Amino acid sequence: TQLLEQSPQFLSIQEGENLTVYCNSSSVFSSLQWYRQEPGEGPVLLVTVVTGGEVKKLKRLTFQFGDARKDSSLHITAAQPGDTGLYLCAGTTGNNRKLIWGLGTSLAVNP
Amino acid sequence: GAVVSQHPSRVICKSGTSVKIECRSLDFQATTMFWYRQFPKQSLMLMATSNEGSKATYEQGVEKDKFLINHASLTLSTLTVTSAHPEDSSFYICSARVLQRGAEAFFGQGTRLTVV
Repeated sequence: TQLLEQSPQFLSIQEGENLTVYCNSSSVFSSLQWYRQEPGEGPVLLVTVVTGGEVKKLKRLTFQFGDARKDSSLHITAAQPGDTGLYLCAGTTGNNRKLIWGLGTSLAVNP
Repeated sequence: GAVVSQHPSRVICKSGTSVKIECRSLDFQATTMFWYRQFPKQSLMLMATSNEGSKATYEQGVEKDKFLINHASLTLSTLTVTSAHPEDSSFYICSARVLQRGAEAFFGQGTRLTVV
C-alpha cells in the first residue's frame, strides 16, 4: 500500500514563529503537490515539485523535494495568523492518475 | 489557473431524499474528475473517479448505488446522494486535472451536506 505520512497532524504556534511540515513515504513519487485548505472551502494548490532535490519558494513558504523523491517538506518562516489552515501533501506515482494524500496538518497561528 | 465550480456550497435535506451536487470545469475540458469526502480537520478520502462518457470507478467500500456519478460532458460531473441518511452528512469536494498541467489538481469549493 502506498502511503504518504504527514507530520505533525496538529500544530499551534505563535505569530512570528517558524515551522516545518513533513511528508514521507517509502515509495518514489513522480510529482508531489502541497495544498492549503481553509474551513468550508476546497484545497488550493500551492506548489508542485517534480525533480529530486528541488526547492521552491513562495514568499515565506519554502518547499523541498527529497533527492530520492520519497519525501518533501514545507517550511514557513515568521508565521502569520493568515497562514492558519489545513496543509495537505499529495503525490502521484508513475502514470497513476490518482493522487495519494497525506493525512493533513492542521495549523493554527495565534496572534 | 484552471477553475472548477461546485454547486451548491451548502445543502440541508431530509432523511430519505436525494441530493445532487454539480461540478463544472469552467475554462478547460476535464475528461476525468474526482469526488472526495472529507471529515472535519481530516484529509480527503477519494470516493470515485468520474470518466466522461463511461462508468465511474468507485473506491473500495463506496456504494455505487448510493453515490451515483454521471459525467455526461467534458465540463460537468454530478454526484447524487440517494436516500440520504444523517451519516452521509459530510463535506464533499470534486476536483479535475488538466491534462496539459500534469498531475496538478484543481478543486471545487466543496459542498457541505447536512441530512436531518
